[in-house]
Amino acid sequence: EPEVTQTPSHQVTQMGQEVILHCVPISNHLYFYWYRQILGQKVEFLVSFYNNEISEKSEIFDDQFSVERPDGSNFTLKIRSTKLEDSAMYFCASRPGQGVEKLFFGSGTQLSVL
Amino acid sequence: AQSVTQLDSHVSVSEGTPVLLRCNYSSSYSPSLFWYVQHPNKGLQLLLKYTSAATLVKGINGFEAEFKKSETSFHLTKPSAHMSDAAEYFCVCLYNFNKFYFGSGTKLNVKP
Repeated sequence: EPEVTQTPSHQVTQMGQEVILHCVPISNHLYFYWYRQILGQKVEFLVSFYNNEISEKSEIFDDQFSVERPDGSNFTLKIRSTKLEDSAMYFCASRPGQGVEKLFFGSGTQLSVL
Repeated sequence: AQSVTQLDSHVSVSEGTPVLLRCNYSSSYSPSLFWYVQHPNKGLQLLLKYTSAATLVKGINGFEAEFKKSETSFHLTKPSAHMSDAAEYFCVCLYNFNKFYFGSGTKLNVKP
């Protein structure tokens, strides 16, 4: 089965630094998502992306966050100035299109902010 | 408002005994519901989904779930647990065709 690929698997950064998390969604998928899971807490929706723009975002997704699909295959999440509370597992997901409700998830990037 | 409640944060069963992981949803209409499993250091894998067809849904690895509208429930069951079933399980509700709400997860422990 095709897979969503996320890199790196682990990222350690200093507070205040910028990080970019990388995702390669499945090639013919149209909808893209970022979720995060802080240790011990539930998986939280961050943002959805369709047709080269954000279609929905949560209150977590503030001005420090941005997403981009720079080249038609990658889907990146940027955190401009990381905070300690940004430490979490970040999951990228994609799905084929409207009417297909299965989300395909990557294996996640564990972000640790020191 | 949409929400998903998983009633048990941890469930422990013996190998070979039945598994029951509970999920209740809150939705103003019949939602699409899913169960995902997360093994340690792995991504989230879809076990099964309900999308308003048959109320009893069969998934992978012998799991099934029954949608009960009167109880707003979508509990996950398996007749006989295997050691390899030990993982975290998430009940997920799809809202507004695009937004997936996750429950808080249930960690399943399987004892030999």
